[in-house]
Order: sequence, then C-alpha cells, then structure tokens
Amino acid sequence: KAGVTQTPRYLIKTRGQQVTLSCSPISGHRSVSWYQQTPGQGLQFLFEYFSETQRNKGNFPGRFSGRQFSNSRSEMNVSTLELGDSALYLCASSTSWNDGYTFGSGTRLTVV
Amino acid sequence: KQEVTQIPAALSVPEGENLVLNCSFTDSAIYNLQWFRQDPGKGLTSLLLIQSSQREQTSGRLNASLDKSSGRSTLYIAASQPGDSATYLCAVQRAGNNRKLIWGLGTSLAVNP
Repeated sequence: KAGVTQTPRYLIKTRGQQVTLSCSPISGHRSVSWYQQTPGQGLQFLFEYFSETQRNKGNFPGRFSGRQFSNSRSEMNVSTLELGDSALYLCASSTSWNDGYTFGSGTRLTVV
Repeated sequence: KQEVTQIPAALSVPEGENLVLNCSFTDSAIYNLQWFRQDPGKGLTSLLLIQSSQREQTSGRLNASLDKSSGRSTLYIAASQPGDSATYLCAVQRAGNNRKLIWGLGTSLAVNP
C-alpha cells in the first residue's frame, strides 16, 4: 500500500520567488493537511482540505495558499518567499476526521 | 487555547532500559492523541493513536496511555534499543470543527549501545 508521497524532497529557492509543493495522499484518503516544521516553532498547522474544499486554515500570511484536486492530490504554494519560510513542509492524509493521520516524508525548502 | 508540553526535552539511556515519555495538554476536549516518531531530517511515522474514549494502546514494545481528565499521556518503551533513537512527538486532535493537530516540541531520545 503506497504511503503519502510528497514531491520534491528538497528545494532551494531565492528570496522573492514562489514555490509549489505537491502531495499525493494514500488512495482512498480524502482529507489532506499541511504542516510547517521549524526548529524554533515546531509543527504548525497550515491548512486542511477535504473533497477539494479548504476546511480550516492556520495563522499564516496570505502568501501561503493551497488547493486540492478531484483525485485528492493537493498542492501548496508560497509566493514572495522569505528567509523565514525555510522549513520542512509536511503533508498528512486521513480517511475521516477521527482516524489519525499518515504523514509523508516532507519537502525540505531552503530559501537563500 | 490548547497547549501541548512534552517532558523531558531530551533523554539519553543505555540500551535495554525501560523508559517513559510524557505529554501533557491543557484542554481535555480532544478527539484523540497520536504519538509519532521522527528520525533526523525525515518525516513522521505514526506509532500509536488513542481515541478519546480509550485508556491505552499497545504495539509491540510500545504502550501509550491517555488520561483525559488530568490532561496527560505517556509513551512507555520497553527494553529500549539503539534503533529507538529518534525524536518522539505527541499531537492532540482538537474537538470541534477545526480538526488540526496541536503538537508538543518532542522528546529527543538517544539509546546508547
């Protein structure tokens, strides 16, 4: 059974650029959530999608956006990158609201 | 506001020891609590999920307990091995419309041969 797949694994971007990260959930999982992990703040919730609808959003600026497609795959986009956006971005999928989450290996974004 | 605290922040033990990692949360209105393991530079591996109506879950050498009334969970690791070295994170899923996970900062465990 394939797990949650995140691409790319590593990215290096320059300040001011934009970036798109991709997440393919486990087959049959309709909920996809995104988290940012940094050494100082730990794991912070970005947003959650279910059936192509954003259900919840964390306290991040509008430069962070996402979407979910009809096949449940999700993308997140960060525009006008800042040095502080350097982090590990993790995607998680779930079958329903109370079944726990399975995480991908993450995308390591470095902004220089 | 839900806050999750993990103690200790770091732990170093000799191989073979039994150990307990602690997680506390401030709001008992949770759906579930999940323990994860993270190896350096890697993603998260789910270890155990405890629903709010449950008291404990077991998987192999791991046992996790949940006491909602006191806002505590413990992860017990029996007969620790060097391969158990990792950071262990607990996360609570809020009750209500916002299902987001609230995380502790983790316990960094080193098991020495």
